[in-house]
Amino acid sequence: EVQLVESGGGLVKPGGSLRLSCAASGFTLSNYDMNWVRQAPGKGLEWVSSISTTSYYKFYADSVRGRFTISRDNTKKSLYLEMNSLRPDDTAVYYCTRLRGCSSSPCYDEYWGQGTLVTVSS
Amino acid sequence: DMQMTQSPSSLSASVGDRVTITCRASQSIGTSLNWYQQKPGKAPTVLIYAASSLQSGVPSRFSGSGSGTDFTLTISNLQPEDFATYYCQQTYSTLLFTFGPGTKVDIK
Repeated sequence: EVQLVESGGGLVKPGGSLRLSCAASGFTLSNYDMNWVRQAPGKGLEWVSSISTTSYYKFYADSVRGRFTISRDNTKKSLYLEMNSLRPDDTAVYYCTRLRGCSSSPCYDEYWGQGTLVTVSS
Repeated sequence: DMQMTQSPSSLSASVGDRVTITCRASQSIGTSLNWYQQKPGKAPTVLIYAASSLQSGVPSRFSGSGSGTDFTLTISNLQPEDFATYYCQQTYSTLLFTFGPGTKVDIK
């Protein structure tokens, strides 16, 4: 069974940093591109960042570029999101997702974790 | 930048109704369009990928159509468990994604 379990969320002051982790199980992480998607309270979904299987390609939404860094460790079966210079509008539930396709077939977020809440407030 | 719009932003419907939600891309994306359903407090789940392909396990009352810039999600014979928020997503550029703002379907 595919499982994605996020951790590392919490309360942080504006300007602070946080590192999110996503533990993957039930599949071989190195075979899949991965995403981070967030959802502010009562708002819609926002794509944050994506990373290719070997970490060669990394992409970011304009709203987080230069502040967030996506990474992965396939040997540890883990995906990460390093978040710096956090702002109140970064407050959201952050989801880790496994992508299907993307290199040679239709691309979509096939599996989602349960999410971890990040609150940026003084 | 790619922009996605959805209409309506919300709608009220009854069990058994046929519901149509529209998604529009700011530029042509072929059929690189997915639809997700999200219920309160839960992660989204994919319903339709590549504009019209039904994800395994999703009931056949859900269907998708369209190409280029205009897309439609149709729910025929709306069921109580279908009351949720629906999002479209474009995946035209490799590993660059954009979601639509969502359409909330609630009970009339």
